[in-house]
Amino acid sequence: EAGVTQFPSHSVIEKGQTVTLRCDPISGHDNLYWYRRVMGKEIKFLLHFVKESKQDESGMPNNRFLAERTGGTYSTLKVQPAELEDSGVYFCASSQDNGYYGYTFGSGTRLTVV
Amino acid sequence: DAKTTQPPSMDCAEGRAANLPCNHSTISGNEYVYWYRQIHSQGPQYIIHGLKNNETNEMASLIITEDRKSSTLILPHATLRDTAVYYCIVQDQGAQKLVFGQGTRLTINP
Repeated sequence: EAGVTQFPSHSVIEKGQTVTLRCDPISGHDNLYWYRRVMGKEIKFLLHFVKESKQDESGMPNNRFLAERTGGTYSTLKVQPAELEDSGVYFCASSQDNGYYGYTFGSGTRLTVV
Repeated sequence: DAKTTQPPSMDCAEGRAANLPCNHSTISGNEYVYWYRQIHSQGPQYIIHGLKNNETNEMASLIITEDRKSSTLILPHATLRDTAVYYCIVQDQGAQKLVFGQGTRLTINP
């Protein structure tokens, strides 16, 4: 089966611009998660979707970040306007259940804000 | 904050067993021990998990002490492709999110 796919793999944008990251989870996985690692820090949870509903968005850093999952399939994470401190690697993960058997992560999107 | 403590780095010779320790002295009765790894430029990869019994799968073995305050991940015959950062995570099944620490950077040497 296809794994979790993220687009783009790399993105370089200027401060103040908008960037949209996309995640395609494994087909049939109702649970979708976003994580990110900023420079020198640990990987941090951002939010969790169950189908199209946001189950937990406690990790979203501020209102410049907007995540959507229309139709309960793929998800997008928009950063508007981007700031320098948003630079890092954004990971998406999915699971069929509550993660008991582990989550499947994508390879991430490396975002650089200059 | 992560509820686990791991050494920041370890080395192991190719073909030998790699034993990665993890302390989780504040683990509660309903929390599982999960291990993930992140190979350079890839996303984290699930390895194994357990509650209180030792577990083994095709990738690794997990040994959990009887008091559950520590565990060891064992890669029985390490290869160069096992070079990665290994994360030990305790997780309540109701939480549905992973709390990553700094992990252990394991280097397998030829």
